[in-house]
Amino acid sequence: KQEVTQIPAALSVPEGENLVLNCSFTDSAIYNLQWFRQDPGKGLTSLLLIQSSQREQTSGRLNASLDKSSGRSTLYIAASQPGDSATYLCAVNSNSGYALNFGKGTSLLVTP
Amino acid sequence: GAGVSQTPSNKVTEKGKYVELRCDPISGHTALYWYRQSLGQGPEFLIYFQGTGAADDSGLPNDRFFAVRPEGSVSTLKIQRTERGDSAVYLCASSLGGGPSYEQYFGPGTRLTVT
Repeated sequence: KQEVTQIPAALSVPEGENLVLNCSFTDSAIYNLQWFRQDPGKGLTSLLLIQSSQREQTSGRLNASLDKSSGRSTLYIAASQPGDSATYLCAVNSNSGYALNFGKGTSLLVTP
Repeated sequence: GAGVSQTPSNKVTEKGKYVELRCDPISGHTALYWYRQSLGQGPEFLIYFQGTGAADDSGLPNDRFFAVRPEGSVSTLKIQRTERGDSAVYLCASSLGGGPSYEQYFGPGTRLTVT
């Protein structure tokens, strides 16, 4: 069974800092990996989707990398802003399944 | 176009009651998924529909939980004899087709509280 772990569970940084969120998974037979953002009381917003054949994806200040062989992904946020405060979830899609396997998330607080 | 919508946004019910949660997927999406997110946890898969049929219901926790999608569009998640442990946010997602090559789009969720 695929296990997805996210470290740290919570993170507080001052505005302007660059930061890295980590995601690890136990089964490397993945189809793709996705990073989501979840604001309190809201649904999930997809940030970046990396196919298993890709090494990284970028969108604005966000960069996600994938090392499938080692079972790791990182989400890099540059020049953080208070509006980036949210929970960030990593989810893995396996080759043979339909369900996304999620980590527990990292709760990020960016202080002004 | 419109995204995935879920109703109600919040539902409070007493232990032992029956509840129904509704999901309206994106128009034209043939695949629909239900997930449950408990406090402090990531979403966990419950059931996947391809068209009208439940292709994978392996995530349903027990036989108190049931879901239908009679016309291949709207889906209803039904919970009988609710228990306090059922309190969670229930998320619905849809995708253009089934399987990992299709991105899933999530609704805002229904927060269920069982008192």
